Amino acid sequence: ETGVTQSPTHLIKTRGQQVTLRCSSQSGHNTVSWYQQALGQGPQFIFQYYREEENGRGNFPPRFSGLQFPNYSSELNVNALELDDSALYLCASSSEKQGTRYFGPGTRLTVT
Amino acid sequence: AQSVTQPDIHITVSEGASLELRCNYSYGATPYLFWYVQSPGQGLQLLLKYFSGDTLVQGIKGFEAEFKRSQSSFNLRKPSVHWSDAAEYFCAVGGYNNAGNMLTFGGGTRLMVKP
Repeated sequence: ETGVTQSPTHLIKTRGQQVTLRCSSQSGHNTVSWYQQALGQGPQFIFQYYREEENGRGNFPPRFSGLQFPNYSSELNVNALELDDSALYLCASSSEKQGTRYFGPGTRLTVT
Repeated sequence: AQSVTQPDIHITVSEGASLELRCNYSYGATPYLFWYVQSPGQGLQLLLKYFSGDTLVQGIKGFEAEFKRSQSSFNLRKPSVHWSDAAEYFCAVGGYNNAGNMLTFGGGTRLMVKP
């Protein structure tokens, strides 16, 4: 059974640019959620997708958007990058909307 | 709104000593509770979870946690700490609120283990 995978591992972008992060969910899981973890803090919920529909969103601006594909993999897109977007972005998958979340290794985004 | 407080930012224990990490939550109904561990630069690994039933739950790596509704707590314990347990530990509460279905994490407790 394959766990949650994320790509890329690390990314450096310039302020104002756009970025796309990718996540493959664990086999058999239909729900994907994204979290932002700033240095020294706990993860903060960005949004969740269940069967290709967004079914929850945290306190993040619209320039944070996402997609879930028919194979339940997912993308997180961030437009107009700001310095404060520098963080570890974690993807988690679960077998149901309220199920246990299993996290991937994360993508470290640095905005300069 | 749901919230989680981990009062101890850093804890240092000697190898072989017992460990207790504190977690207090705020949630309007019966919560789903989790403990995750994170090594430097890594993702989160699930240690254990509470959904319902027995309030003492066993997890991986010899960890256990006890749900106490009256105290709104879900403290993590281990009887004998190993040097490999040094990491950051996060408590989380899961459930529905106006943002949808989400996990809310505490700020974390960094555990250091002295030889």
